[in-house]
Amino acid sequence: SQTIHQWPATLVQPVGSPLSLECTVEGTSNPNLYWYRQAAGRGLQLLFYSVGIGQISSEVPQNLSASRPQDRQFILSSKKLLLSDSGFYLCAWSPGGGITEAFFGQGTRLTVV
Amino acid sequence: AQTVTQSQPEMSVQEAETVTLSCTYDTSENNYYLFWYKQPPSRQMILVIRQEAYKQQNATENRFSVNFQKAAKSFSLKISDSQLGDTAMYFCAFMKHSNTGKLIFGQGTTLQVKP
Repeated sequence: SQTIHQWPATLVQPVGSPLSLECTVEGTSNPNLYWYRQAAGRGLQLLFYSVGIGQISSEVPQNLSASRPQDRQFILSSKKLLLSDSGFYLCAWSPGGGITEAFFGQGTRLTVV
Repeated sequence: AQTVTQSQPEMSVQEAETVTLSCTYDTSENNYYLFWYKQPPSRQMILVIRQEAYKQQNATENRFSVNFQKAAKSFSLKISDSQLGDTAMYFCAFMKHSNTGKLIFGQGTTLQVKP
């Protein structure tokens, strides 16, 4: 069966510091991968998605970037964090091709201080 | 662009009773999927139920069922025999039929099941 791992679960970082959140999927190949952000008490907003290695699409302009160095690995990064980057970040995957649903990781709560 | 609206920020229901959560959406697409996700206090997003737009029959998963009104662009979730474990935030989401699988979420409804 397929599983998705996301870490760390919580992170407190000072303003101006770098960020790296990692997500890996097991038990499938060539998945679509996604990073979503959830502001406090709000719905999820899609930040990035990837349909293949090295293929990254950005949905909203922001201080963050994403990379997909391997088929089942998706990384969310920032060179210098802003206070506004605080939030709950969720990685998700979908089967490639005929996509009918998405499966989510357990999320990372990021607090920028 | 597609939008999803959940007009009920908070709802409560007594244990064992039935509750309905509302969702409306706007799209010009004809082929798409609709979802209800549950987010308990653990923050894990759990898929509750999925509806394919081309299917007229409403989806059902045990105590969870939907009322899908395509013409009205309405997609409500009914929870029967509510249980304490149903306490969570519920999100309605839209996915266009494509190879990208991007989800568009509503703002969420916080449901409290009372003993």
